[in-house]
Amino acid sequence: DADVTQTPRNRITKTGKRIMLECSQTKGHDRMYWYRQDPGLGLQLIYYSFDVKDINKGEISDGYSVSRQAQAKFSLSLESAIPNQTALYFCATSDLPVIARELGNEQFFGPGTRLTVL
Amino acid sequence: GQQLNQSPQSMFIQEGEDVSMNCTSSSIFNTWLWYKQDPGEGPVLLIALYKAGELTSNGRLTAQFGITRKDSFLNISASIPSDVGIYFCAGLKSGGSNYKLTFGKGTLLTVNP
Repeated sequence: DADVTQTPRNRITKTGKRIMLECSQTKGHDRMYWYRQDPGLGLQLIYYSFDVKDINKGEISDGYSVSRQAQAKFSLSLESAIPNQTALYFCATSDLPVIARELGNEQFFGPGTRLTVL
Repeated sequence: GQQLNQSPQSMFIQEGEDVSMNCTSSSIFNTWLWYKQDPGEGPVLLIALYKAGELTSNGRLTAQFGITRKDSFLNISASIPSDVGIYFCAGLKSGGSNYKLTFGKGTLLTVNP
């Protein structure tokens, strides 16, 4: 079974609809992240969370909100979807960095959700 | 915000050739990461670099953390068809509750058998 799962994998919706993307992890990591990927633009950080109830804005948080009610789950919401939010969305997790050379900073990515807003 | 300049944007090579790609930034990072993304999947970490000047290998892959902490390169030797994908560099600044991982825009690698 995958360590980081995302649901749904694909979603087509209309402008103005509320959408929630779910992320679950079985790695036991405290830190979770949501990224957006657009062609030619790499990955941009939307929100991240270092612990339950901890929420931090990333580079492009406008138009998005998140919820971290449990260590294993981090959900991303689009309150009123718009066409330029059409993109691939990735969830990632990481453990606490313990020592500088430990792989604590490594982020493990989910398989992605392809969202299309018409 | 800070940006990473990753080059080249794309490469089309013959199987067996060596590949080199790099990332540069105007900012200093304390960690450099290199990821590979296959179609329809999330990025997978290839190599992590934690110290300026560090040279690390993972099979046919070799990456270095630039001495200025503002750049990194990734080399792939003797490329094979399964090396096809998008390669991303990422620079990390972290400390306490401050955390920022910045990704390059990716290098699309195509390997011709």
